[in-house]
Amino acid sequence: AQSVTQPDIHITVSEGASLELRCNYSYGATPYLFWYVQSPGQGLQLLLKYFSGDTLVQGIKGFEAEFKRSQSSFNLRKPSVHWSDAAEYFCAVGARGNQFYFGTGTSLTVIP
Amino acid sequence: KAGVTQTPRYLIKTRGQQVTLSCSPISGHRSVSWYQQTPGQGLQFLFEYFSETQRNKGNFPGRFSGRQFSNSRSEMNVSTLELGDSALYLCASSPGLAGRQETQYFGPGTRLLVL
Repeated sequence: AQSVTQPDIHITVSEGASLELRCNYSYGATPYLFWYVQSPGQGLQLLLKYFSGDTLVQGIKGFEAEFKRSQSSFNLRKPSVHWSDAAEYFCAVGARGNQFYFGTGTSLTVIP
Repeated sequence: KAGVTQTPRYLIKTRGQQVTLSCSPISGHRSVSWYQQTPGQGLQFLFEYFSETQRNKGNFPGRFSGRQFSNSRSEMNVSTLELGDSALYLCASSPGLAGRQETQYFGPGTRLLVL
């Protein structure tokens, strides 16, 4: 069965520190993977996506993610976090019929 | 291009009532999907419409229904509202032709509160 796991419910980092958000997926075929960010009261904004090719993908706002097939992971990283990055982050896998399976999200708090 | 729009943004209803939410996709997109977001269950897929036909459906009761019009705008209806239907309802659009590798673009959501 397809599923996405985000092990960290909440993460707190200091501004300027590096960030890594974990995502593990389970999918029977080639995974199409996405990271979205949601600010309070807002919809989801696409950060980046992986379909094929280079396993390190670059996204908006300085984010990147690395696809590791052997570990079934698609972790999101940012070298230096800004206060405006505080939000909820969702990892998703695209499944049959345009359905996305989402992780439960990781809430990021940034300390000044 | 304008993004996905959803109306209304906020709704308050009482148990037993019904509600209709509206979603206008990005111009040219023919697929519209609906998701329910709650603190306890996270983001759950409701259904997807493409060219006025429901193409995929999640595990929600029949009280949740939808439709799509010829201009790709979509509506979602919830009948006989229950307290547990309180949630943020998100609509997403995509071109609809490339299957599961398509990026979905989300609207701001409709916040429904059932009292």
